Amino acid sequence: GENVEQHPSTLSVQEGDSAVIKCTYSDSASNYFPWYKQELGKGPQLIIDIRSNVGEKKDQRIAVTLNKTAKHFSLHITETQPEDSAVYFCAATSMNRDDKIIFGKGTRLHILP
Amino acid sequence: NAGVTQTPKFRVLKTGQSMTLLCAQDMNHEYMYWYRQDPGMGLRLIHYSVGEGTTAKGEVPDGYNVSRLKKQNFLLGLESAAPSQTSVYFCASRARGSYNEQFFGPGTRLTVL
Repeated sequence: GENVEQHPSTLSVQEGDSAVIKCTYSDSASNYFPWYKQELGKGPQLIIDIRSNVGEKKDQRIAVTLNKTAKHFSLHITETQPEDSAVYFCAATSMNRDDKIIFGKGTRLHILP
Repeated sequence: NAGVTQTPKFRVLKTGQSMTLLCAQDMNHEYMYWYRQDPGMGLRLIHYSVGEGTTAKGEVPDGYNVSRLKKQNFLLGLESAAPSQTSVYFCASRARGSYNEQFFGPGTRLTVL
């Protein structure tokens, strides 16, 4: 079955700097890669996603990249702000098995003043 | 739309007591999920359902039971609570299809003494 590895588990960056979170997946049939943000005391919420037919997607300060050959995908946050402090989860799902989204273990991002 | 709602928000149980967590969604989603979230462990899938009247085991099903008698509701039961079941429980729902977003509820914080 699919396995999603996420690194790092904790990341601290100065406000205004960039943050990068990396994930790898194992199932070559995976075709959809969402990223979720979980703020303190709340449920995770989708912030951006990418499909397997696209290499990069950007939404304001957030971008995702996908390397299908290497089975890597990454989240990039530029010009970080205090409100970016949260736990981020990468995930993958497969066209062959779309009943479950497989999540990484999460990255706790701290934005330092 | 209320999205995904969970009842109750907080609960304290004594070891051996039973309880049921209720999840409701108003988006007509086929798929529903129960996760538990513990520090450093990410989101672990307990049970899930791909439709009314069907359920399946996830990664950590022991000690829990579920039922999906109505499409909009997914119940998680603890028959005899143990301190190891102290956790934050999240329900989620999703439409069928690999590109569809998974929506999470706000969570239930359960403490078993």
